[in-house]
Amino acid sequence: EVQLVQSGAEVKKPGESLTISCKYSAYNIPNYWIAWVRQTPARGLESMGVIYPDDSKTRYSPSLQGQATITADKATKNVHLHWGSLKASDSAMYYCAILRMVRGGMDSYFEYWGQGTLVSVSS
Amino acid sequence: QSVVTQPPSVSGAPGQRVTISCTRSSSNLGAVYDIHWYQQLPGTAPKLLIYANNNRPSGVPDRFSASKSGTSASLAITGLQAEDEAVYYCQSYDKGLNEWVFGAGTKVTV
Repeated sequence: EVQLVQSGAEVKKPGESLTISCKYSAYNIPNYWIAWVRQTPARGLESMGVIYPDDSKTRYSPSLQGQATITADKATKNVHLHWGSLKASDSAMYYCAILRMVRGGMDSYFEYWGQGTLVSVSS
Repeated sequence: QSVVTQPPSVSGAPGQRVTISCTRSSSNLGAVYDIHWYQQLPGTAPKLLIYANNNRPSGVPDRFSASKSGTSASLAITGLQAEDEAVYYCQSYDKGLNEWVFGAGTKVTV
């Protein structure tokens, strides 16, 4: 059974830091990566980056690199998304998802999704 | 401009067949990458509907089918039901951007 359970909604002010979490269980799925996907009304769905929990190797989407940091705690089966200084433009719904890595990434797809974490940033 | 383009909306009566197109931009002509489809019901997370162009995950009704030809793909829903009202997204890979990209989504109204 696959489960992705995300932390709850957050309301923050610009400049504050934030970490949201995704607790995963993915038995019988070999070599899975965990992705973070952002959704906003203006820009739709955007892949932010992925991490391989076994060795914490990360791959960030170039268009979103530097905006947040992805980490993994293999022992507790948690993946985190961290902002050091939030901006209003970081307001979005954030989903973690299991990425099925195919052909080095080129034919990959998001196989399972968490329930989403709503982040609101406003002064 | 989105790498993958979908119509913003389609509609159909219960029982009818609707199709949603997904077209890759010209900057990716010649590149052959799989197209995947997701269904997002109101207030829920996206759900994988079709992977690798035309494969249904376990549990997805066979009313949903998809095909791909060159740089275009389409999702078909036959025997449209009220519960199919959702936004449908296609997703692929963009080598130039080196990232996975989603279409803007197509809202299906029954």
